[in-house]
Amino acid sequence: GAVVSQHPSWVICKSGTSVKIECRSLDFQATTMFWYRQFPKQSLMLMATSNEGSKATYEQGVEKDKFLINHASLTLSTLTVTSAHPEDSSFYICSARSPSRAEAFFGQGTRLTVV
Amino acid sequence: QKEVEQDPGPLSVPEGAIVSLNCTYSNSAFQYFMWYRQYSRKGPELLMYTYSSGNKEDGRFTAQVDKSSKYISLFIRDSQPSDSATYLCAMTREGNQFYFGTGTSLTVIP
Repeated sequence: GAVVSQHPSWVICKSGTSVKIECRSLDFQATTMFWYRQFPKQSLMLMATSNEGSKATYEQGVEKDKFLINHASLTLSTLTVTSAHPEDSSFYICSARSPSRAEAFFGQGTRLTVV
Repeated sequence: QKEVEQDPGPLSVPEGAIVSLNCTYSNSAFQYFMWYRQYSRKGPELLMYTYSSGNKEDGRFTAQVDKSSKYISLFIRDSQPSDSATYLCAMTREGNQFYFGTGTSLTVIP
């Protein structure tokens, strides 16, 4: 299967600071990338969908100014959590899909802890 | 009604058992069906991908899709302790977002 690399795998930051998470498709061009948030023992909650070169589409209830998504190239999307607060602590996962395939491939996930 | 329904379990089976995991869905437009395995604190890993109705086999895993009943299944033969994980079903239609089940937690007891 295709490989999606997400970095960092875990991060601890102070309240009020910003954190950037990277998602890279290593062996395919990802025209679409998805960002999810997952709470313990719950399923994936879609935060936003990003298409290369255009603005991300955010799901209802997700703050655009807090969760900045950039999909500047066909292999890289970034999620920046701005002015992080303890309630932003969660597991964030990206997935990517190429135009030639219907299935999506996931990154390893990033565990964010805001203290 | 949720787009995708999946029994969260937990499901506990002895090693060597056949495991059956299922999802139902409401949107008849779904064409692509996937099963992902997720270990604790890791991203989901694609196990099986099926287009439209039918069966697909890969080693100990068999995926079945019955579009007339809006029902998909994943069977695991000769289950192993390493199969202990959460299994997520997912589905989509072309160019659209993915819809996930809540995941079924499986434990295979040695």
